[in-house]
Amino acid sequence: NAGVTQTPKFQVLKTGQSMTLQCAQDMNHNSMYWYRQDPGMGLRLIYYSASEGTTDKGEVPNGYNVSRLNKREFSLRLESAAPSQTSVYFCASNQDFGNGTRLTVT
Amino acid sequence: GENVEQHPSTLSVQEGDSAVIKCTYSDSASNYFPWYKQELGKRPQLIIDIRSNVGEKKDQRIAVTLNKTAKHFSLHITETQPEDSAVYFCAASHRDDYKLSFGAGTTVTVRA
Repeated sequence: NAGVTQTPKFQVLKTGQSMTLQCAQDMNHNSMYWYRQDPGMGLRLIYYSASEGTTDKGEVPNGYNVSRLNKREFSLRLESAAPSQTSVYFCASNQDFGNGTRLTVT
Repeated sequence: GENVEQHPSTLSVQEGDSAVIKCTYSDSASNYFPWYKQELGKRPQLIIDIRSNVGEKKDQRIAVTLNKTAKHFSLHITETQPEDSAVYFCAASHRDDYKLSFGAGTTVTVRA
């Protein structure tokens, strides 16, 4: 039982590049979430998926897209990265968090 | 949407003393209130949670209290130890989902 698994752990992008953050859970949860964490601001919800096949915007969705590929997997895509997207990204399944992806956009 | 405020932002306590962190929330429909501990470079980990049908919950040295009328909830850590040093986050959501709105965090330092 691995819980919530995120890849990659670290990533550096140039402005304008695209990438997809992967997340998978093996706890058979319906709900999955993507948060970003910035210094002094706690965690903010980007997108969530209440069940397979559904996705909804959270507090800070601009510049991101998501895909709920199946019950296990929920990916986050940055189509054209910007320096303001430099952050630590956490995927969650119910109350359980993955280990995070530290993204730097130069 | 929900707005969660957390105080203080930093807290330094002597080992063995108690630490208290307070949070307020704005949405009266919120009824699930978890607390997370995050060590440097690690993921947030759930340490205790409370739902709106109870006023207090305790787990060993950790306790959480909830006042729904005043819309605030607090984390109490007793007999603090160096390993309690971390950033603590409060959060709030509706019971039927885990769309969490987080406070900004409290950095707790336990002095030996």
